[in-house]
Amino acid sequence: GIQVEQSPPDLILQEGANSTLRCNFSDSVNNLQWFHQNPWGQLINLFYIPSGTKQNGRLSATTVATERYSLLYISSSQTTDSGVYFCAVEWNRGSTLGRLYFGRGTQLTVWP
Amino acid sequence: NAGVTQTPKFQVLKTGQSMTLQCAQDMNHNSMYWYRQDPGMGLRLIYYSASEGTTDKGEVPNGYNVSRLNKREFSLRLESAAPSQTSVYFCASSSDGLYTEAFFGQGTRLTVV
Repeated sequence: GIQVEQSPPDLILQEGANSTLRCNFSDSVNNLQWFHQNPWGQLINLFYIPSGTKQNGRLSATTVATERYSLLYISSSQTTDSGVYFCAVEWNRGSTLGRLYFGRGTQLTVWP
Repeated sequence: NAGVTQTPKFQVLKTGQSMTLQCAQDMNHNSMYWYRQDPGMGLRLIYYSASEGTTDKGEVPNGYNVSRLNKREFSLRLESAAPSQTSVYFCASSSDGLYTEAFFGQGTRLTVV
């Protein structure tokens, strides 16, 4: 299958700081999504971004599919940003349409 | 608009007991999925359904069965629960599978003792 690697595995920030999370993948993909898993365990859709750049408030994401990576930027972080951030891809050689392959996530902790 | 709804949210089972996890979506999506999440790992696919009446195995199907009851509902059954099935289970749906965004339910935290 496809390998999805996220870095860093853990990130601790002070409120107000900026951060960049990275997702590398080993093969071509049809789709890439970023999720935030909040402390209650819910998976929140952040971005559907198979290529290009998108912004939503303090968050933005860029995917360079030809170079097999995606970046998630968080600016002016807040304590409510804490949780685990997952990158997930739909492998275009996969046998299951729509199946997402997940990275292990980045655990973000934001201190007041 | 509820999106993807799972029940129950929490469950404790004894080894050997059976149970069914329910999932329903109101987005008129064709494809539905069951994933499990274990500590320190991303989600892994258990089963999926590309349309009503069809199901297929994912990466970790052993010990599970599924039913796509209709377009809205996709259930996951544990016939004889084992401690190795202690996990958080997520149901997801997407419009047509390929090139479309997936949406997840709130998860079911299952403990097998």
